[in-house]
Amino acid sequence: DTGVSQDPRHKITKRGQNVTFRCDPISEHNRLYWYRQTLGQGPEFLTYFQNEAQLEKSRLLSDRFSAERPKGSFSTLEIQRTEQGDSAMYLCASSVTGTGTYNEQFFGPGTRLTVL
Amino acid sequence: GNSVTQMEGPVTLSEEAFLTINCTYTATGYPSLFWYVQYPGEGLQLLLKATKADDKGSNKGFEATYRKETTSFHLEKGSVQVSDSAVYFCALTPGGYQKVTFGTGTKLQVIP
Repeated sequence: DTGVSQDPRHKITKRGQNVTFRCDPISEHNRLYWYRQTLGQGPEFLTYFQNEAQLEKSRLLSDRFSAERPKGSFSTLEIQRTEQGDSAMYLCASSVTGTGTYNEQFFGPGTRLTVL
Repeated sequence: GNSVTQMEGPVTLSEEAFLTINCTYTATGYPSLFWYVQYPGEGLQLLLKATKADDKGSNKGFEATYRKETTSFHLEKGSVQVSDSAVYFCALTPGGYQKVTFGTGTKLQVIP
């Protein structure tokens, strides 16, 4: 399967702990996005990379959140000092630069975070 | 800013019924419009798209037409099946490489 993969699929942690999620995009895709989806809501944009450069960050991404894509391939999203409000599904998507008016983002299965 | 409003669910239909899920949007310029589907236990999948006014996106019997005059992109299917049960998200992006703005999703349940 050559789709977007995310690890772990589920994470349960205690409030105040740090967690890190990993996303492996489709191999030739140079753009990588992170979204957060809470129960009953649509996904909300967090940040995106083109190759290794982080080009945009949402105001939702507080200073407890950090994302990296060091070699322009996989990406990690770290949440420090987790809070119960961080409980959500964290989605990763990737796409390739195109010349048209849009380029499809392919989504991974997500990492479900539960903060106790 | 950009936003998407779609009808609240859940929507419950009998098999072979006609489906409409309403979606309206607010955006500057000429966004591209999408419907994504999320089946139980699976990731988001692009169902169909339209990139300019009057375009009709279609896939798997679903259709939606980009109506700039009414800023709408309603999803329709003539005869739903049990396998169509899922959550459907209307979405837009102002440009091909930018973030996607999603609606809140509409859960569809089709009963035999």
